[in-house]
Amino acid sequence: NFMLTQPHSVSESPGKTVTISCTGSSGSIASNYVQWYQQRPGSAPTTVIYEDNQRPSGVPDRFSGSIDSSSNSASLTISGLKTEDEADYYCQSYDSSNQGVFGGGTKLTVL
Amino acid sequence: EVQLVQSGAEVKKPGESLKISCKGSGYSFTSYWIGWVRQMPGKGLEWMGIIYPGDSDTRYSPSFQGQVTISADKSISTAYLQWSSLKASDTAMYYCARSPGAAWGYNYWGQGTLVTVSS
Repeated sequence: NFMLTQPHSVSESPGKTVTISCTGSSGSIASNYVQWYQQRPGSAPTTVIYEDNQRPSGVPDRFSGSIDSSSNSASLTISGLKTEDEADYYCQSYDSSNQGVFGGGTKLTVL
Repeated sequence: EVQLVQSGAEVKKPGESLKISCKGSGYSFTSYWIGWVRQMPGKGLEWMGIIYPGDSDTRYSPSFQGQVTISADKSISTAYLQWSSLKASDTAMYYCARSPGAAWGYNYWGQGTLVTVSS
């Protein structure tokens, strides 16, 4: 079964840059689009990156997404960290049968 | 403005049936897929399945196939998630979300429906 693996948690200081990785277990992560969702405590998820590196309107350009085929991974980078960025972040893609798969989520602490 | 509005919280007993809803507005309901996502208490997101209201094409995760039924009524722009016999392990928050394609990401989310199953 195709799986996406994320670090359980990351932390960084305000104003700094953090990168969250999402590694595919098999196949090519570049075969299907990767999305990134932000979920603040007690709230529904929101989309911060879709189609690997596209930002929905309203999402600041401090958020960016990328794919690294050599490591079969996707990354979410947040620059100029703000305390409001503190949240859980989930990557999501699809397997070869077009079944959706979420990563386990990464808790971002901005301290 | 695109909106997905879900039905309210439910408290049910094991063995009971349930159908929760997700009403879309502000876009052509039959032109986008609607997916359902489960989040058990304190846990991550799980992909349950997805439906295309235009022709009711439905795909399920193997983990949820046979456990739930996803449907849609395009005449009222509403998608549904239903159980015929709830279990305590179905206690979770359930989100609907809109996707441009069956294997694309979600760009709009509902607010979530909390389902509690307890005797």
